[in-house]
Amino acid sequence: AQKITQTQPGMFVQEKEAVTLDCTYDTSDPSYGLFWYKQPSSGEMIFLIYQGSYDQQNATEGRYSLNFQKARKSANLVISASQLGDSAMYFCAMREGPTTDSWGKFQFGAGTQVVVTP
Amino acid sequence: DGGITQSPKYLFRKEGQNVTLSCEQNLNHDAMYWYRQDPGQGLRLIYYSQIVNDFQKGDIAEGYSVSREKKESFPLTVTSAQKNPTAFYLCASSIATGTNQPQHFGDGTRLSIL
Repeated sequence: AQKITQTQPGMFVQEKEAVTLDCTYDTSDPSYGLFWYKQPSSGEMIFLIYQGSYDQQNATEGRYSLNFQKARKSANLVISASQLGDSAMYFCAMREGPTTDSWGKFQFGAGTQVVVTP
Repeated sequence: DGGITQSPKYLFRKEGQNVTLSCEQNLNHDAMYWYRQDPGQGLRLIYYSQIVNDFQKGDIAEGYSVSREKKESFPLTVTSAQKNPTAFYLCASSIATGTNQPQHFGDGTRLSIL
């Protein structure tokens, strides 16, 4: 079963606007970590932001913030003040704790392609 | 600077040939991973290793083999049994334990069939 779901295959956003990328996850483990990565057209994977299951506050890193709604099992990425360089594929990922059979692995979503227009 | 080095950046394979993709890390990470990515798609796990001399199959291990003789190195061999090897291959590493540790990725190898 798919553990990470990203329902938006692609999005267009205007420069300087904010954009929200959706991510929902499925786990019964109380201990897990959620990660967002950016993949530009050149192919490298860039780690953006992390949210732990026990964190009380939403994570923020510069223009990136994570809207973490634990009860809804969602971890949406918000990019504020979009720039042309934000055009990329964005992946949501999860790492579960050692009590699960997926321990040691990272589960990735299918990704969302973001295109920032002038 | 610590990081992950994948080589070569581009690789061409002839029919019936085995090829090996290199992945080296100097981050002192215990866990290493290989992913395959097809155009416009997400990452699919091929193999992963949490400790030297041990590795596990991922979701698409058929036609691939790995070894983990050193902590720093996790080479991937694409065998002739892999009928559709053309893809982008990403190597990653992480601290083995702890759900709060992200993966670090290499720059990838693009493999094509001649």
